[in-house]
Amino acid sequence: EVQLVESGGGLVQPGGSLRLSCAASGFTFSRHWMSWVRQAPGKGLEWVANIKKDGSEEYYVDSVKGRFSISRDNAKNSLSLLLNGVRAEDTAVYYCARVYYDSTAYYFFFDSWGQGTLVTVSS
Amino acid sequence: DIQMTQSPSTLSASVGDRVTITCRASQSIGSLLAWYQQKPGKGPKLLIYKASSLQSGVSLRFSGSGSGTEFTLTVSSLQPDDFATYYCQQYHSFPMTFGQGTKVEIK
Repeated sequence: EVQLVESGGGLVQPGGSLRLSCAASGFTFSRHWMSWVRQAPGKGLEWVANIKKDGSEEYYVDSVKGRFSISRDNAKNSLSLLLNGVRAEDTAVYYCARVYYDSTAYYFFFDSWGQGTLVTVSS
Repeated sequence: DIQMTQSPSTLSASVGDRVTITCRASQSIGSLLAWYQQKPGKGPKLLIYKASSLQSGVSLRFSGSGSGTEFTLTVSSLQPDDFATYYCQQYHSFPMTFGQGTKVEIK
């Protein structure tokens, strides 16, 4: 069974930093692109970042470029998101999500999600 | 960025009802659309991809249709477990974008 378990959320002051982690199990982690998707309280879903299966490519939504950094450790089946220079509008539940792969190609929708970790930016 | 617009925002229905949610894209996305179900406090669950392909393990009550800019998600006979919020997502272009959600509530 595919499992994605996020951790690391909490209260952080504006301008501060936080590292989120996602522990993956139940599948071959190194074969999949992975993503972070967030959801502000009471709002909809927003894709944040993608990372290629070998970590060689990263993509970000414009609003977090230069502030957030996605990374992975395939030996530890782990995905991370480093949040720097956080703002009030970064307050959200952050989900780790697996990009769909059908053994021939990748399609950037998400077939497995974690339960999320809440980041609150406030002084 | 491609804008995704869902309607209605809220839908009140009864068990056994047939319900339809619409998702419109601001430009053509072919069939590169997914639908998700989300319950409070949980991560989303993939229901449909490529506009009409049912994800493994998802009930046959759910179906998707459409192409280009207009898409629909239909629940053939609403069950108690189906009361939730539903989101569409385009994966035609970066950044991937979601609709604002449709909450299906008990009438």
